[in-house]
Amino acid sequence: DAGITQSPRHKVTETGTPVTLRCHQTENHRYMYWYRQDPGHGLRLIHYSYGVKDTDKGEVSDGYSVSRSKTEDFLLTLESATSSQTSVYFCAISEMQTSEGETQYFGPGTRLLVL
Amino acid sequence: DQQVKQNSPSLSVQEGRISILNCDYTNSMFDYFLWYKKYPAEGPTFLISISSIKDKNEDGRFTVFLNKSAKHLSLHIVPSQPGDSAVYFCAATAGSNYKLTFGKGTLLTVNP
Repeated sequence: DAGITQSPRHKVTETGTPVTLRCHQTENHRYMYWYRQDPGHGLRLIHYSYGVKDTDKGEVSDGYSVSRSKTEDFLLTLESATSSQTSVYFCAISEMQTSEGETQYFGPGTRLLVL
Repeated sequence: DQQVKQNSPSLSVQEGRISILNCDYTNSMFDYFLWYKKYPAEGPTFLISISSIKDKNEDGRFTVFLNKSAKHLSLHIVPSQPGDSAVYFCAATAGSNYKLTFGKGTLLTVNP
């Protein structure tokens, strides 16, 4: 198993509060990703990083920001949580860009409930 | 605009039989396809992949078939085992692209 941890694993918060989720890897992979999984939507990319301090938006980036100051850590921040951000959040890593012979490896997920 | 579609939300098969999970895509730029398996309360795990230059890839009980002209791929599991019961996601990516586009998933239940 790829060395990916996510913290916290579960969180309950209130609307309007800031929330930060952490993804930590021990594989020294260059690429890191944040997805959310919702019923009826599969997994959707929020943001991704292609190196330290290099990040870009995915398909559902509104309301989220990210930071990557070290290779091993990728932080996802909800500046002001809303109920629509209640979801399961997955971090993923890959050594190279996803192409033949390469894949993304996923962390265990963080279940977030915004009340 | 859903670019990767898994039109069957669920599939139920008997142990020992073949499971066939289907996936369609609309983006002709996709050139690499992956299947992931997901158990409840866990992250997705990579299962098998196929490049657009191939039409078949096998790994043990798992085979993925790609029909580029129909923009269709399928995952065959033979023989199916109860431990295969999970949600299966089809995903695709295009060229020098970091991003995977996922389907909504198919819940496979293998009955003993």
